[in-house]
This record gives sequence, structure tokens and C-alpha cells, in this order.
Amino acid sequence: NAGVMQNPRHLVRRRGQEARLRCSPMKGHSHVYWYRQLPEEGLKFMVYLQKENIIDESGMPKERFSAEFPKEGPSILRIQQVVRGDSAAYFCASSSNRDTRRLGHMNTEAFFGQGTRLTVV
Amino acid sequence: GEDVEQSLFLSVREGDSSVINCTYTDSSSTYLYWYKQEPGAGLQLLTYIFSNMDMKQDQRLTVLLNKKDKHLSLRIADTQTGDSAIYFCADYNTDKLIFGTGTRLQVFP
Repeated sequence: NAGVMQNPRHLVRRRGQEARLRCSPMKGHSHVYWYRQLPEEGLKFMVYLQKENIIDESGMPKERFSAEFPKEGPSILRIQQVVRGDSAAYFCASSSNRDTRRLGHMNTEAFFGQGTRLTVV
Repeated sequence: GEDVEQSLFLSVREGDSSVINCTYTDSSSTYLYWYKQEPGAGLQLLTYIFSNMDMKQDQRLTVLLNKKDKHLSLRIADTQTGDSAIYFCADYNTDKLIFGTGTRLQVFP
């Protein structure tokens, strides 16, 4: 069972271009989370999605950023018109169920991908 | 919003114990986690503790939870050079993990 797969591992974009980051969750997982890690900082929550639905996007910048998790295929984090400040590592995590209180921890452990390191030049 | 805080750096000698501390603000936390991040890699779940527990031991790792003070710690016994990494504590809040800034552990011979 492959883990969470993110690609590309490294992405270089010029200012103003678009960046598309892909995340394939673990088999059987229907919940996807995107986090951003700025240099020398912790991980900041961006968005939580289930298939075809955005559940919580409280951490997403209001402009230029969007995320989707279609019925078929990977989850995509899209950044339009990238700026230097978007340079960061973007991590995706997936889990099998949302409600830890009802089902217990191991059903809801979030597994992380290796991340995509975006560099804007 | 909920907040999780950690000290940024810890340096220990090989063979000694390391203690990494974390404080959090969420009074309704159910699970608290410790993750390890090695250079250039993703996050690896090390251990977790349920909020009704005070302590959990897993081989060289001991997690202590003081729910009254909202303080969590991770003790690594017999620290090895391979333990050098960034350690994140995380609070499961509603539907997502809230991470601390991470503690960079450096182990020297």
C-alpha cells in the first residue's frame, strides 16, 4: 500500500506563473489536508477536503489559491500568479475518517506525503 | 484561534535524555501528537496521547501530558545521532491538526 504521493517533489516557477501541486492519498483514504511550511517555521493548515467537497478552507489565502479533490484523480492545490512569498514546502496528508472521538485514533491517523518544495524565482 | 507553542532549539549529548516541551491552548483537545521531520523529508508520526491519559511510554519515547497546565512533553531516552531532526507537537482540533513551530534537536557526540 503506497503512502501519500505528492508530485512534483520540487517545483520552480517564475513570478506570475501558475503552480499546480498534486496529492494522491493513501488507498482507501477519502480525506485530504494541505499544509504549508515556510522556511524555519512550523506547518500551517490550509485546507481540508473530502471527495468533491471543501470542508474547511480557513487557512487558505483569499486570493490566488484554490484546491480541489475530484471524484477521480488526485487532489490539486493551485496557486495562480505566484510571488516570492509563496516559496515554501507544501505537504499533503490523508486520513480515512474524520471523527476521532467516535472511532478512535488509529482510524484517523493522518499520513503525510514527502512534500512539494516550491521555489519562486 | 488555537495555538501550539514549542521552543525552537535543543542540543544534547549522545546517550543523554532529551526533553522537548510543548504548550497548547485548546481546552477541548482529544488527541495530541508528536511528529518527526528529518531534513528534506515529510512528517513521520512518532507517538500520540489521548487527552484522558497522563503518560504514555513507547520504547525510548515517553509522553507526559499535564492537561491542567496544557503542557505536553516528549522524552527521548538514550538519544542517538539519528534522532537529530525537527520535532513537532500537534493538537487535533475539530477536523485538522494544529502544529507547533517545531523544535530542532541536535545531538552531538
